[in-house]
Parts: sequence; C-alpha cells; structure tokens
Amino acid sequence: ILNVEQSPQSLHVQEGDSTNFTCSFPSSNFYALHWYRWETAKSPEALFVMTLNGDEKKKGRISATLNTKEGYSYLYIKGSQPEDSATYLCACPVLTGGGNKLTFGTGTQLKVEL
Amino acid sequence: DGGITQSPKYLFRKEGQNVTLSCEQNLNHDAMYWYRQDPGQGLRLIYYSQIVNDFQKGDIAEGYSVSREKKESFPLTVTSAQKNPTAFYLCASSIATRGIEPQHFGDGTRLSIL
Repeated sequence: ILNVEQSPQSLHVQEGDSTNFTCSFPSSNFYALHWYRWETAKSPEALFVMTLNGDEKKKGRISATLNTKEGYSYLYIKGSQPEDSATYLCACPVLTGGGNKLTFGTGTQLKVEL
Repeated sequence: DGGITQSPKYLFRKEGQNVTLSCEQNLNHDAMYWYRQDPGQGLRLIYYSQIVNDFQKGDIAEGYSVSREKKESFPLTVTSAQKNPTAFYLCASSIATRGIEPQHFGDGTRLSIL
C-alpha cells in the first residue's frame, strides 16, 4: 500500500496571503504525482500531473513543484482569494498488473477569509 | 459539454437492500473508477475498469459489485454485505490507466442508511 501524506490538514489564510502546503510520498519507485482541487458542492478538478524531478507547473496563481528524490511536492497559491477555498488533494499511481490506480492523500482544506 | 454524470445525488438504503449508483460519461474515456470518501479519510478506490467488459477490485471492494457492459457506463451496486455503506461515492474516468492521465470526476452520490 502506497502511503501518501498531506500537511497541514487544514489552513486558514487571509485574502491576499500566499500559502503553500505539502504532499509526501515514497521516493522509491516514483511514477507520477497528481494534484486536484475539490471545492465544496463541486467535483474534484485536476490541477497538475507531474512526473519529472524538479518539474514546476503553473496554472494562474497556483503552482506546484516536485522533488522525487526526497519524496515531496509543494503546492503554492499566490495572493489567495476566497474562490481558492477548497480541499487540495494529491495522489500517486500504484502500478499493478491490471492498470495503474491512484492512492490519494487525505487532503489539505484551505479556507481563505476576507 | 463532456463530463461525468452520477445519479442520484442522494440515496437511502434500507437494511438488507441492494442499491445501485449510476455513473455515465461522454468523454469517450476507456478507464472508469469508483471511490468512497469517509470523513477524515482520503478517497479510497472501490473498483476500476480499464476497458469494457473488464474490471478490477480496488482497495475496499468487499460488499460492492460493478459491471462495465458499455464504455460510457460503470454502475456500482452496494450490496447488503457492505455493513457500513454510509459514505460519499465518487465516480471518475480517465483516457487510460497509465497513471499519468488526470482523472475527471462526477459530482458524487451520498448514500445513507434508513
């Protein structure tokens, strides 16, 4: 069983603050790392899929970095807005004979306050 | 618009009853997945299917069954053998199961016991 951990569990920031949170995963046999955003009453939405050590991806004010050697990824949000309030999930695929399946972390719940 | 449709949004099950959750996608994706979410836990994989007429057990398949007779449909049956069915159920799909394809999610079904 792959152990994917996220920290912190929850985070409250003020509008305009920049913030970041962490996803940790086993560095051995790394294959890929997914980030998803899950807003309340909506479906989870894919943000990034990262595969290369040192990779950095950006989508608007959100960016992510990947360190496969030490087994972590950071998600950064610059100038947080109330609409960024959501649970952010990371996941890693587990390679099986029947196809790859994702193992998810428990998520970081972000609340951006006015 | 392409997407995943789950129905119903809310479902109530009586003791000893089987219930079926519907999941339909029009994204032309080969792979489909069922996840369960419980409070304080990450998404846990119940079943997944790489292709029509094929499916694999996930991490918590006991008490559940699926079928994949059509590419666009992947219904989940929660049987009476599932002793703790109260949870939020999410269906997802992806182009393939190589592990680097983002998953697309439905809006979920919340199942409760009467």
